[in-house]
Amino acid sequence: AAGVIQSPRHLIKEKRETATLKCYPIPRHDTVYWYQQGPGQDPQFLISFYEKMQSDKGSIPDRFSAQQFSDYHSELNMSSLELGDSALYFCASSLFGGSGTGELFFGEGSRLTVL
Amino acid sequence: AQTVTQSQPEMSVQEAETVTLSCTYDTSESDYYLFWYKQPPSRQMILVIRQEAYKQQNATENRFSVNFQKAAKSFSLKISDSQLGDAAMYFCAYRSEDSNYQLIWGAGTKLIIKP
Repeated sequence: AAGVIQSPRHLIKEKRETATLKCYPIPRHDTVYWYQQGPGQDPQFLISFYEKMQSDKGSIPDRFSAQQFSDYHSELNMSSLELGDSALYFCASSLFGGSGTGELFFGEGSRLTVL
Repeated sequence: AQTVTQSQPEMSVQEAETVTLSCTYDTSESDYYLFWYKQPPSRQMILVIRQEAYKQQNATENRFSVNFQKAAKSFSLKISDSQLGDAAMYFCAYRSEDSNYQLIWGAGTKLIIKP
């Protein structure tokens, strides 16, 4: 079965550079969520989109932006990268804007390392 | 605001034995979902088991079962016949029944399986 696809799986950037992470949800899923997980920490919610509109916003820095496109894939853009941005970034998708089974399906994550 | 508490940072169990991971939560809502996610060293977040709050029957998935006590706001995970592959971080998570609510995570419990 198709799962949530994230790319790239690994990314190394220098401080003050820009990075873009991509997420392809499970087909027919209309909601995408982005999480950031630092070393030894639980995932922190960043932002979510439902039907291409931002639906909820968490602890996303102003240096980050995201959007969901017409094909429902989402991109997380991170600018002016800082050392503290080094983390595992998860994308998750769900159906019907979060209702139904309530389950989020997670991608394998994109590991960002900022040097 | 909802909160999720996992009071056991680390647990260890002998292979083939049974272990129970604790999770408590706080909410004023009556309809919600509870989840246990497993995060092995590969770092992918994998759903272990799901419980709908309106269901009184405890969810079961093979060797994994939960003890859901709604009044006590408790949601523990029991792993029977523990296997080496069960070693991972286990996260308890809460999700409101309202659409577009993101997951509220516990801090996680690291499960060690002793051969």
